[in-house]
Amino acid sequence: EAQVTQNPRYLITVTGKKLTVTCSQNMNHEYMSWYRQDPGLGLRQIYYSMNVEVTDKGDVPEGYKVSRKEKRNFPLILESPSPNQTSLYFCASSLSGNVNEQFFGPGTRLTVL
Amino acid sequence: TQLLEQSPQFLSIQEGENLTVYCNSSSVFSSLQWYRQEPGEGPVLLVTVVTGGEVKKLKRLTFQFGDARKDSSLHITAAQPGDTGLYLCADTNAGGTSYGKLTFGQGTILTVHP
Repeated sequence: EAQVTQNPRYLITVTGKKLTVTCSQNMNHEYMSWYRQDPGLGLRQIYYSMNVEVTDKGDVPEGYKVSRKEKRNFPLILESPSPNQTSLYFCASSLSGNVNEQFFGPGTRLTVL
Repeated sequence: TQLLEQSPQFLSIQEGENLTVYCNSSSVFSSLQWYRQEPGEGPVLLVTVVTGGEVKKLKRLTFQFGDARKDSSLHITAAQPGDTGLYLCADTNAGGTSYGKLTFGQGTILTVHP
């Protein structure tokens, strides 16, 4: 089944404890992206990747890191999480670029205490 | 910085009613996508519109793209409880200096009561 998977789905952590949210797609898509969703703000793009080893900042990259060492995986890293990073996070992928249909993962709900 | 404004923010209607939600941009859209998100899930693409004045239909949903490509509307005829969800518009920023970025509006939360 074609899909985007994220792990974990739910995470409660404390300020300053490094964490990684994994994202994997099995559709051989070139483009991958991370978003955070907060009430009343819609989806805001954190980072995106046009292809392997190519990443770029979205609208809200502060406090996040990403890597794209292989095509199928695009992990989101929070080196020192803070409470303002409490949010619902979505990973998405598309065949090529952002003009194509983006397929979203199921989301990761992160709480930073 | 581009701003996408969606209205209304909340919409609560009865089954069978018609409704329209709007998406307006502070600048010209590259191309515009409409997504629907159901509770506990990620957004799912409904349609992409590219050309000014374009109209697309998807069963009971009608999407219009303004002639100047700065606004769009989604009209639902005879709404059903299954239409309940968050409706999001997004600009693909295709071909510009922000290629690769996707900018979303804040969304319209639609609730259709049986």
